[in-house]
Amino acid sequence: DGGITQSPKYLFRKEGQNVTLSCEQNLNHDAMYWYRQDPGQGLRLIYYSQIVNDFQKGDIAEGYSVSREKKESFPLTVTSAQKNPTAFYLCASTSDSHYGYTFGSGTRLTVV
Amino acid sequence: SQKIEQNSEALNIQEGKTATLTCNYTNYSPAYLQWYRQDPGRGPVFLLLIRENEKEKRKERLKVTFDTTLKQSLFHITASQPADSATYLCALGTAGYSTLTFGKGTMLLVSP
Repeated sequence: DGGITQSPKYLFRKEGQNVTLSCEQNLNHDAMYWYRQDPGQGLRLIYYSQIVNDFQKGDIAEGYSVSREKKESFPLTVTSAQKNPTAFYLCASTSDSHYGYTFGSGTRLTVV
Repeated sequence: SQKIEQNSEALNIQEGKTATLTCNYTNYSPAYLQWYRQDPGRGPVFLLLIRENEKEKRKERLKVTFDTTLKQSLFHITASQPADSATYLCALGTAGYSTLTFGKGTMLLVSP
């Protein structure tokens, strides 16, 4: 079945550490996105990529980094510079935003 | 500044009734509007898209309207069922951009 896979589902990080969240899709979608969701907040765009080897900052890119070396993969690194990283992270992809996004099941990151 | 507003209070209705959720926006000229369903701890699932030149869209028990004069979309679920209980998100897209901006969502609770 085609879909988008995020791993791990839960992630714990010590302060000062970088962590990388995985996002893989087998839908042959060109565009991929990372959103952050906090309680009572809407989804906020961190980074997006419309083509391999190219990506753009979203509204809250500070403290995050991404890469897009393969069409299928769009990993997100939460760096130690991100001041409040505890959140639910969602990866999405689409062939055309007019047709809706396909979301992964999310990674819940907690700083301990 | 651009704003998308959805009712922050949960909507409680009885099974069999029609649920109506509202999405209002300001300082936007969206080319299209999408609705998503999100269950707790899961990623959103795309439901419907409506374009700026469309007044209404239907899919099974779902109906979406889009009034660009009022800057409002209404999302209806007819003959609601307890399984429809979830948070519903609206998202706006603008022409020429592949990114969506999401509202905070409204929780719908359908009681038997």
